[in-house]
Amino acid sequence: KAGVTQTPRYLIKTRGQQVTLSCSPISGHRSVSWYQQTPGQGLQFLFEYFSETQRNKGNFPGRFSGRQFSNSRSEMNVSTLELGDSALYLCASSWGTSGRTIPYEQYFGPGTRLTVT
Amino acid sequence: TQLLEQSPQFLSIQEGENLTVYCNSSSVFSSLQWYRQEPGEGPVLLVTVVTGGEVKKLKRLTFQFGDARKDSSLHITAAQPGDTGLYLCAGAGGSQGNLIFGKGTKLSVKP
Repeated sequence: KAGVTQTPRYLIKTRGQQVTLSCSPISGHRSVSWYQQTPGQGLQFLFEYFSETQRNKGNFPGRFSGRQFSNSRSEMNVSTLELGDSALYLCASSWGTSGRTIPYEQYFGPGTRLTVT
Repeated sequence: TQLLEQSPQFLSIQEGENLTVYCNSSSVFSSLQWYRQEPGEGPVLLVTVVTGGEVKKLKRLTFQFGDARKDSSLHITAAQPGDTGLYLCAGAGGSQGNLIFGKGTKLSVKP
C-alpha cells in the first residue's frame, strides 16, 4: 500500500507570495490533517478534513486555508507569506476520527519544507 | 489550553545505555500516542496507550501511561544507534478534537 505523499518536498518563496501544498492520503483514508512543525513550537495542528469538510481547525490565522477533494486528496494554501511561516508542513491521513476518543493511527507524509525569504 | 511537556529536550548517550523520556501534562487525556520521527521523514506511530497505569512493550521500548492519564514515559533498554530520532508524545482530546503534540525529545545514540 502506497504511503502518504506530499508535493513539493521543498519550496522557497518570497515574503508576500502565496503557496499551495498538496497531499495524497493512503488509499481508503478519508481524514487528512495538516500540521506545521518548527523547532521552537514543535508540531502544531492546522486543520483536519473529512469527506471534503473541514471538521477541526487549529489556532492559525485565516491566511492558512485548505480543502479536500472527492478522492480525499487535500491541498493547503498560505497567502501573504511571512518569514515566520518557514516550517515543515506535514500531512497525515487516517481512517477518520468521528465519534472516537481513541484516535486512529495517523500516517504522516515526509512533509514539505517551506522557506520564506 | 492543553499542553504536553516533554523532557529532556535533548539526550545524547552511548550505545548500550538505558534511557527514559517523559511526557507530562496538567490535563487528562483519553489516550496518548508515541511517535518517532527521523530526519527528512514524517513521524511514525510507535504505540497508543489508553488505560491509566497501562504498560506496553515494543521490543526494547517500554511505554507507561500514568494512573491519572496525565503523564507517560518511554523507557529504552540497551539503546542502539538505530533508535536515534525525535520522540514525540501526542494526547487525544484537544479542544478542536485533534491530537496535541509535545515538542519532542531528540535522542542521539552514538556507537
